[in-house]
Amino acid sequence: GAVVSQHPSRVICKSGTSVKIECRSLDFQATTMFWYRQFPKKSLMLMATSNEGSKATYEQGVEKDKFLINHASLTLSTLTVTSAHPEDSSFYICSASLAGHDYGYTFGSGTRLTVV
Amino acid sequence: QKEVEQNSGPLSVPEGAIASLNCTYSDRGSQSFFWYRQYSGKSPELIMSIYSNGDKEDGRFTAQLNKASQYVSLLIRDSQPSDSATYLCAVSGRGGGNKLTFGTGTQLKVEL
Repeated sequence: GAVVSQHPSRVICKSGTSVKIECRSLDFQATTMFWYRQFPKKSLMLMATSNEGSKATYEQGVEKDKFLINHASLTLSTLTVTSAHPEDSSFYICSASLAGHDYGYTFGSGTRLTVV
Repeated sequence: QKEVEQNSGPLSVPEGAIASLNCTYSDRGSQSFFWYRQYSGKSPELIMSIYSNGDKEDGRFTAQLNKASQYVSLLIRDSQPSDSATYLCAVSGRGGGNKLTFGTGTQLKVEL
C-alpha cells in the first residue's frame, strides 16, 4: 500500500516556458503532500507543504509565484514551475501522507527537470 | 547547529560485514524517525521507521533510537553490494502530516 505516482519522470523544456509535475496517491487519500527539490549529491530540500483544499505553505526562500502548487483533491497535487530558467534544473520529488496515519511518507519516483 | 546531522561518508565496508550508520537530531520534540535509502538518480525508499527507544529489527536492518541522547542509528547486517547507496535519516512529529527534516545523508559503499 501507500503508493505515490509522479509524472513525468523526466522533462526538458526551454527557458521561459512552464512545466507541470503531477503527484498522485494511488491507494490512499493524502491530506498532505510535500514537494522537495534535490541538487546533485545534496539532501532533499523541502519546498512547500500542500493540504487538500487550502493554499500551500512555502518554506522560506521559495518563491510561491514561481513554484505554483495546487492540491485540488485528496489524491492529486501538482507543482508548476513557471517561466523556467536553467537554475531551476533539479530533481523534484513529492511525498504524501495521511494525517493521523503513518505511511512513512511515501515518495514519488521524482522528476528530473532540465531547462535549456 | 544543523537539525539532523549525518556523516557524509563515504563509509566503506566489505561484503558480509555490518554497516553502522549514525544520525543525531536537535529537536527534543521529534517523535518519528525514519531511514531512507536513495540510489543515485532515484527517489528515497523507506527502509525503517522507529518511534520508541530501543531497537527495531526488520530482516537485515536494525534501527536503534535513544531519545535521551537524541541519536538514531541503522545497522545493516551481512552487507551486500546492492546496499551501496546514500542513506538518509529523517525526523518528524508523530501522526503523519508533519514535515520531515532530512539529514544530508551518508554514502555507503559495500566492497566485494
